[in-house]
Amino acid sequence: GAGVSQTPSNKVTEKGKYVELRCDPISGHTALYWYRQSLGQGPEFLIYFQGTGAADDSGLPNDRFFAVRPEGSVSTLKIQRTERGDSAVYLCASSSGQHLEQYFGPGTRLTVT
Amino acid sequence: QKEVEQDPGPLSVPEGAIVSLNCTYSNSAFQYFMWYRQYSRKGPELLMYTYSSGNKEDGRFTAQVDKSSKYISLFIRDSQPSDSATYLCAGSGGSNYKLTFGKGTLLTVNP
Repeated sequence: GAGVSQTPSNKVTEKGKYVELRCDPISGHTALYWYRQSLGQGPEFLIYFQGTGAADDSGLPNDRFFAVRPEGSVSTLKIQRTERGDSAVYLCASSSGQHLEQYFGPGTRLTVT
Repeated sequence: QKEVEQDPGPLSVPEGAIVSLNCTYSNSAFQYFMWYRQYSRKGPELLMYTYSSGNKEDGRFTAQVDKSSKYISLFIRDSQPSDSATYLCAGSGGSNYKLTFGKGTLLTVNP
């Protein structure tokens, strides 16, 4: 079956611009996670959705970052006033009721120039 | 101190070797421990996970957790060139199962 998909695969934007990153989880998965992976580092947790609600957003670095999942399926990560330090690979993962097994998408590589 | 520490390597071994990858963690709340494999420019792929202390085997892969020393290991037997990747360990605790990852170890298996 189809895995987690993320679009775009690559995004180059100028400092100060707004970007949206999209995640399509595995069909039927109720839990959705966003992580950020900087070069040479492991993924770092950003936010967790259970259904439509953000159950834990403690990893969002500041109020420029926001994520939604309005219908409990597709999620969008939104970054306002991008900074060069936001450059990273943004990974999305989803899981079923047994949250242990998180399946990751290929990521969106964001470059802020 | 990061919650999960992992030697980034790189680690280079000949084909057929036994590989040992290790992590330490500091968060006593971690109950679940995962190993992910990540190929270059791809998303992490779950290899296996263990709950609390003990061993778990899956084919050529064995995961070990020692909660008394806060030490987790992954062993790869009969390593293959296709095993060349970055291996990420992660811990999880609490009801939301968010993962805390190490930096990853870059492994190269030479034919």
